[in-house]
Amino acid sequence: DQQVKQNSPSLSVQEGRISILNCDYTNSMFDYFLWYKKYPAEGPTFLISISSIKDKNEDGRFTVFLNKSAKHLSLHIVPSQPGDSAVYFCAASLDYGGATNKLIFGTGTLLAVQP
Amino acid sequence: DTAVSQTPKYLVTQMGNDKSIKCEQNLGHDTMYWYKQDSKKFLKIMFSYNNKELIINETVPNRFSPKSPDKAHLNLHINSLELGDSAVYFCASTRGTTSYNEQFFGPGTRLTVL
Repeated sequence: DQQVKQNSPSLSVQEGRISILNCDYTNSMFDYFLWYKKYPAEGPTFLISISSIKDKNEDGRFTVFLNKSAKHLSLHIVPSQPGDSAVYFCAASLDYGGATNKLIFGTGTLLAVQP
Repeated sequence: DTAVSQTPKYLVTQMGNDKSIKCEQNLGHDTMYWYKQDSKKFLKIMFSYNNKELIINETVPNRFSPKSPDKAHLNLHINSLELGDSAVYFCASTRGTTSYNEQFFGPGTRLTVL
């Protein structure tokens, strides 16, 4: 049962334009959502997060939007740069009990920013 | 001065063998994790330790046994390796026990079982 879905396996964008990466989820108990970026042969690196009580969080060129009623979040990158080319994972945090929670990841979207 | 390191980076072995993957973090974090990324690119948590105590144990075959000798190290031992164990295994660490704190990942260990 895939609780976090990234339905677009890949996305190609021109340098300077906006990149929009989408993520859908099914579990209304998720309390935080995170985006991670991954380059080949490296581990994922944290990019930005948003609490489930917010609808927007911005950090420089990166903005995450959360639509709880639609169980949908998106990551906007403006302007896109060639160095942004990577796999982007959406992740959701779920309470595991005992003051612990765990991350559930989507399958990732490969972003290619064309110069 | 790598924050989270894993050894080895690549591991090729025969079915039935026993192997270990080591992970070390020098960030002073309290919590460490093992994740498995399979051929379909699903990245799934397997285990988590906080100050050497197991706090997350997902549905993983008992052939997989994590060991945390101290809070900076979390090793993964796999007995009787099977073809389906082929995957990339990532170690990660974070401050505290809440995973919405930023997790720092190692570079991964690609395990191939022949």
